[in-house]
Amino acid sequence: NAGVTQTPKFRVLKTGQSMTLLCAQDMNHEYMYWYRQDPGMGLRLIHYSVGEGTTAKGEVPDGYNVSRLKKQNFLLGLESAAPSQTSVYFCASSYSLRTSGSYEQYFGPGTRLTVT
Amino acid sequence: AQSVTQPDIHITVSEGASLELRCNYSYGATPYLFWYVQSPGQGLQLLLKYFSGDTLVQGIKGFEAEFKRSQSSFNLRKPSVHWSDAAEYFCAVGAKTSYDKVIFGPGTSLSVIP
Repeated sequence: NAGVTQTPKFRVLKTGQSMTLLCAQDMNHEYMYWYRQDPGMGLRLIHYSVGEGTTAKGEVPDGYNVSRLKKQNFLLGLESAAPSQTSVYFCASSYSLRTSGSYEQYFGPGTRLTVT
Repeated sequence: AQSVTQPDIHITVSEGASLELRCNYSYGATPYLFWYVQSPGQGLQLLLKYFSGDTLVQGIKGFEAEFKRSQSSFNLRKPSVHWSDAAEYFCAVGAKTSYDKVIFGPGTSLSVIP
């Protein structure tokens, strides 16, 4: 199993450009999450999904959009990148507590995004 | 609301020495607690978790953590640190809401002196 994969690994954008980050998992997890990691702030949840076709806002959703058209994929979009979105982005997935009795998250390797 | 604090931003220990990383949480009900480790340039990996039962939890790589409800703490310990343990460590608290919400602490960076 590949687990959770993310593409791309690195990206540099100019202010105002758009891009999509792709997350894929092969563990049949119901839930998927997008976080951003900034120094001294831990991980902050951007958006999450509890199933195919459903998405919801997390703690810091402004400037991002997401889609989950297939259970195994979760896309994060930046429509008009800003320097404040320079960060490391992590995707994670998990079973639900209700169905598995446990819900530890499995993380991808991250995408380092720089917006100039 | 849930919150997690990790009082130590950075800790340095000598190889072979014991380690304790502190974690305090705030949550109104019985929490689900996690410790994750992040090696440089990598994603997070689960070390151990506490859901219920025995308050001393064993994890991977020789780590353990103890849940102390009276102190709202979930400190991570290891009796003898190895150089490969140098990493960032995150404590997290989970709650059953509309989804399986998890709040991460700010992290503690561990350096190991040979």
